[in-house]
Amino acid sequence: AQKITQTQPGMFVQEKEAVTLDCTYDTSDQSYGLFWYKQPSSGEMIFLIYQGSYDEQNATEGRYSLNFQKARKSANLVISASQLGDSAMYFCAMREGNTGNQFYFGTGTSLTVIP
Amino acid sequence: DGGITQSPKYLFRKEGQNVTLSCEQNLNHDAMYWYRQDPGQGLRLIYYSQIVNDFQKGDIAEGYSVSREKKESFPLTVTSAQKNPTAFYLCASAPLVSYNSPLHFGNGTRLTVT
Repeated sequence: AQKITQTQPGMFVQEKEAVTLDCTYDTSDQSYGLFWYKQPSSGEMIFLIYQGSYDEQNATEGRYSLNFQKARKSANLVISASQLGDSAMYFCAMREGNTGNQFYFGTGTSLTVIP
Repeated sequence: DGGITQSPKYLFRKEGQNVTLSCEQNLNHDAMYWYRQDPGQGLRLIYYSQIVNDFQKGDIAEGYSVSREKKESFPLTVTSAQKNPTAFYLCASAPLVSYNSPLHFGNGTRLTVT
């Protein structure tokens, strides 16, 4: 079974609108971390936001927030007030607590912000 | 500033030649990783290392080799046995067994083999 599933290959959003990128995960560990990365066309991977399995509050970093629903095993990224510079690939990833040296990545979502 | 340096940014080789991609980190991380990314695709793990002189195969290790002689360095050799070596290669590092620590990435090397 896939550890991380991103079901949206491509998304479009109007500039200044909010957008949600979906991510579901599969683990039997109690301790794990969830991460979102942005990859612009230049190729570098930029770490955006982290959510721990024991965190009761949703993580927020500026315009990025993570909608964490533990029972549903989902960790959706919400980008508010989209900007043209947000156009990029977005990857969801997980690191498990018991075997924490492997990172599992989803297949990514390509986000295009429309002016 | 701490970070991961990958060099070169672009690399061109003739088919049949081995080529080594450099990866150096000064973050004092124990774990280091190599990923391959094809156009429009996700990341696939080639090799990872948790400690000096030890490394484990990832999902697509065939045709690749690595070494970890120093904590800071984790070079990847793409051998002539790799059928489709043209790709974008990303090196990354992280603290050992700390599930709340993200992967830190280098800027990548684009390898083209003709």
